[in-house]
Amino acid sequence: DMKVTQMPRYLIKRMGENVLLECGQDMSHETMYWYRQDPGLGLQLIYISYDVDSNSEGDIPKGYRVSRKKREHFSLILDSAKTNQTSVYFCASSSGTGAGNTLYFGEGSRLIVV
Amino acid sequence: QQKVQQSPESLIVPEGGMASLNCTSSDRNVDYFWWYRQHSGKSPKMLMSIFSNGEKEEGRFTVHLNKASLHTSLHIRDSQPSDSALYLCAASDTNAYKVIFGKGTHLHVLP
Repeated sequence: DMKVTQMPRYLIKRMGENVLLECGQDMSHETMYWYRQDPGLGLQLIYISYDVDSNSEGDIPKGYRVSRKKREHFSLILDSAKTNQTSVYFCASSSGTGAGNTLYFGEGSRLIVV
Repeated sequence: QQKVQQSPESLIVPEGGMASLNCTSSDRNVDYFWWYRQHSGKSPKMLMSIFSNGEKEEGRFTVHLNKASLHTSLHIRDSQPSDSALYLCAASDTNAYKVIFGKGTHLHVLP
């Protein structure tokens, strides 16, 4: 079964607290992504991971870091969360570049920072 | 500047009507386009992909691609209320892992 799983699905944090969003996939995909989605802004790319310990900044990496120690698992970390990081975060995976780059998304993690 | 631009932002069509959505990339290196559909409160799911000039049809859905103008369009015939969703256009170039999305078109199909 091809599945991307995100945990937690919903999270409320106070400003300044640390946040850990976790993502797993069962398709042995090398490439994984973190996006955030805000109303009117579409999906914005935060980080890409090409494989274990091989990560690259996306378009909006400031305030975020990632960790990938196993191929099937990719974490997004917010150190000292800010209110403007309130958003829905989507993890995705894909099998390759070019024509093989269809993304498979998790169900999203809704983060509210108060 | 948004590298993938979609229009219109919002579209209302009657049930049974035709919906036409547009997407253009400003990045000349783009070679591949996808259309994703996202129902409210759900995650995006790939609807159709197109990588060559021309047209591709799958059921009620047709996509067109003009590589010279980097323009793709999605047409939904006999639109159903269940087609009401956010439609996202995505683009990538040949050797890149990076996939960039447009802001989307909100489609509302009225019964």
